[in-house]
Amino acid sequence: KNQVEQSPQSLIILEGKNCTLQCNYTVSPFSNLRWYKQDTGRGPVSLTIMTFSENTKSNGRYTATLDADTKQSSLHITASQLSDSASYICVVANSGNTPLVFGKGTRLSVIA
Amino acid sequence: EPEVTQTPSHQVTQMGQEVILRCVPISNHLYFYWYRQILGQKVEFLVSFYNNEISEKSEIFDDQFSVERPDGSNFTLKIRSTKLEDSAMYFCASSEILGGSYTGNTIYFGEGSWLTVV
Repeated sequence: KNQVEQSPQSLIILEGKNCTLQCNYTVSPFSNLRWYKQDTGRGPVSLTIMTFSENTKSNGRYTATLDADTKQSSLHITASQLSDSASYICVVANSGNTPLVFGKGTRLSVIA
Repeated sequence: EPEVTQTPSHQVTQMGQEVILRCVPISNHLYFYWYRQILGQKVEFLVSFYNNEISEKSEIFDDQFSVERPDGSNFTLKIRSTKLEDSAMYFCASSEILGGSYTGNTIYFGEGSWLTVV
């Protein structure tokens, strides 16, 4: 069954600190993996999209990694800001036109 | 940046009533989607739509649900007879091409319509 699991469920960090969020998936055949940021009560916003051939992709202070062999991805946030407080959702697409598979997200709270 | 717009942002309805949620996808996009997110749970796919017909639908999208593109700009989701378990945030999304398998295909989400069924 196609699934995406994320950890931790929630995380609290101090402003300025770094953090890493994890994603494991069983989606097959794999096409690409996306990280979305979802502010409370708002729609998801795309951060990165990675294929199996990409190990790392950055978007500002966000860096995503992908290990297609172990089916794991991480999202690293550098020098966190209060505005980074949100849910970060890992989303995986398979190689057909079937719908994206969403993880439950990691709820990040950045505090001063 | 272009955006998907949704109305209403929040609607409260009585059980059994019909609800229509509206969306204006990004103007040059051809593929449209509805997703829902029950409070505290993950985003779930409902339906995808292209060329005035449904491309794919999930098990959630039963006979109580329907979608329509009544004109050149709007895309609607209708729930015929709402149930308590339909309470959720409903997201409309659009993309240039179908599905997530193409890496260059960013799927843009709207801000959501929060539906509360009482």
